[in-house]
Amino acid sequence: DAGVIQSPRHEVTEMGQEVTLRCKPISGHNSLFWYRQTMMRGLELLIYFNNNVPIDDSGMPEDRFSAKMPNASFSTLKIQPSEPRDSAVYFCASSLLLVREGTDTQYFGPGTRLTVL
Amino acid sequence: ELKVEQNPLFLSMQEGKNYTIYCNYSTTSDRLYWYRQDPGKSLESLFVLLSNGAVKQEGRLMASLDTKARLSTLHITAAVHDLSATYFCAVDIGGSQGNLIFGKGTKLSVKP
Repeated sequence: DAGVIQSPRHEVTEMGQEVTLRCKPISGHNSLFWYRQTMMRGLELLIYFNNNVPIDDSGMPEDRFSAKMPNASFSTLKIQPSEPRDSAVYFCASSLLLVREGTDTQYFGPGTRLTVL
Repeated sequence: ELKVEQNPLFLSMQEGKNYTIYCNYSTTSDRLYWYRQDPGKSLESLFVLLSNGAVKQEGRLMASLDTKARLSTLHITAAVHDLSATYFCAVDIGGSQGNLIFGKGTKLSVKP
């Protein structure tokens, strides 16, 4: 398996522009997570999905952020409009959630380094 | 609310020395994960600890879990420079949600 795939790997944009980050989870995994990592705030969970359904989006910083998972093999995280403080590395992770046994290991993608000028 | 605390947050050690990183969490959980992150890279899974008393070892790293004390340790034996990285512990909050709560990470620097 190729692992979790994220694109783009690097994104540089100007303030006010729309940014879309993409993620393809590991085939067969039913949970998907979006994280943001900065030096100041560390690793933050933004939102996660189980079976394509958003379960908890309390980590999404503001209405400018939105995430979708239209099917089991694709998710997007959109920022509109982007601001300089959104500059960070955004990771997508996926795992297999078994109802009785709990969650398996989360496997992280390579991340998207976002710079908003 | 589940809180996960790691200490130390920064650790500078000499090659050949032993040290332990601690991970405390605030509510009951039977699953704990350790991850490694190299600078500029993603997080890589190291260990999954699934029950009280679980111990896993890989090379110079050994992880253990005490669910009664709500404590996991990551022990480093005879450190080498290649172990320099940031180490995160993460706790499964349980139930049917599949969410992990991550600690802030311990940045380990091994010097010759």
